[in-house]
Amino acid sequence: DGGITQSPKYLFRKEGQNVTLSCEQNLNHDAMYWYRQDPGQGLRLIYYSQIVNDFQKGDIAEGYSVSREKKESFPLTVTSAQKNPTAFYLCASSPGQRNSPLHFGNGTRLTVT
Amino acid sequence: AQSVTQLGSHVSVSEGALVLLRCNYSSSVPPYLFWYVQYPNQGLQLLLKYTSAATLVKGINGFEAEFKKSETSFHLTKPSAHMSDAAEYFCAVILSGGYNKLIFGAGTRLAVHP
Repeated sequence: DGGITQSPKYLFRKEGQNVTLSCEQNLNHDAMYWYRQDPGQGLRLIYYSQIVNDFQKGDIAEGYSVSREKKESFPLTVTSAQKNPTAFYLCASSPGQRNSPLHFGNGTRLTVT
Repeated sequence: AQSVTQLGSHVSVSEGALVLLRCNYSSSVPPYLFWYVQYPNQGLQLLLKYTSAATLVKGINGFEAEFKKSETSFHLTKPSAHMSDAAEYFCAVILSGGYNKLIFGAGTRLAVHP
């Protein structure tokens, strides 16, 4: 079945460590996205990529980095510069047409202590 | 600028009662609008989308939404709530531009009581 796989589901890290969240899709979608979800704040866009080897900052990119070396993969690195990294992270993809809905993975819950 | 506002962060209904979740948008151009549902510790699942073909949009699980341009609204309804409808619901609008940037509302958590 086609879909988006995020791993791991739960991740724990010590403050000051970088951590990379995995996102893989087999939907053959051109566009991929990373959102952060905090209680009562909806989803906020971190980074997005419309095509391989290209990506743009979203609304809250500070303290995060991404790469898009393959169409299927869009990993997100949460760096030590991110002031409040504990959150639920959601990866999504879409075919790229303007009215196409996003397809979401099941998320990674990151806890930094 | 485009944004979306969901009225009511928590809604509680009895099983079998009408579900009404409110969403208002602001947009200078005809928008594309979506409703998503999220169950605990899961990703978002598309319920339905409005793309200007019809003002009344039917989605999965018996949900539907009506686009009202005069009210800039896209409220989500279901005639009879089921216990399995308990979840968080998000309204979203596509930001105008050359890519699919979704702007999400803050979400409404629906509780269904026996």
